[in-house]
Amino acid sequence: EVQMVESGGGLVQPGESLRLSCVVSGLAFGSSDMGWLRQAPGKGLEWVAAITSASESSRHADSVRGRFIISRDNSKNTLYLQMNSLRSDDTAVYYCAKGLIRWAFDIWGQGTMVTVS
Amino acid sequence: EIVLTQSPATLSLSPGERATLSCRASESISINFAWYQQKPGQAPRLLIYDASTRATGIPARFSGSGSGTDFTLTINSLEPDDFAVYFCQQRSDWPLTFGQGTRLDIK
Repeated sequence: EVQMVESGGGLVQPGESLRLSCVVSGLAFGSSDMGWLRQAPGKGLEWVAAITSASESSRHADSVRGRFIISRDNSKNTLYLQMNSLRSDDTAVYYCAKGLIRWAFDIWGQGTMVTVS
Repeated sequence: EIVLTQSPATLSLSPGERATLSCRASESISINFAWYQQKPGQAPRLLIYDASTRATGIPARFSGSGSGTDFTLTINSLEPDDFAVYFCQQRSDWPLTFGQGTRLDIK
């Protein structure tokens, strides 16, 4: 069974930092492109960042570039999102997701809530 | 960035009816396009990728069509479980973008 479990969310003040983690099991993590997406309360989906399977390439949305960094540790089957200089408009549920044919997302975690207030 | 516009915003239908949801891209994206379903409190679920390919485990009553700028998701013979919010997404260019969603309500 495939599992993607996010953690690291919580309540922080503006300007603070958080690091989200997503531990993946049941699939070939080291061969999978991965992404972070978010959904503000009552709003639609927003892509945040993406990284290829061996970390050879990563991309970030303009709204987070320079503040957030996506990374991964294939030896730990874990995806990360380092979030710095958090703002109130970063408040959202953050999902990790597996990329399919670069870049639809076919497997999603349950999400972790980040509240900046 | 490529803007995706979904219509209608809300669609009210009865079980057994057919749903037709649309998504228009602000520029041509070939078939680099996907549909997702999201229920309250749940993560999105991939339904369709490459405009018309059903994802693993997706029932045949879901079908996608289109290319270029205009795309359609058709759900035949709606079941109670199908009432949810549907999002479209393009993967043709960065940034990846989503439509604003269509809410499919029970009439």
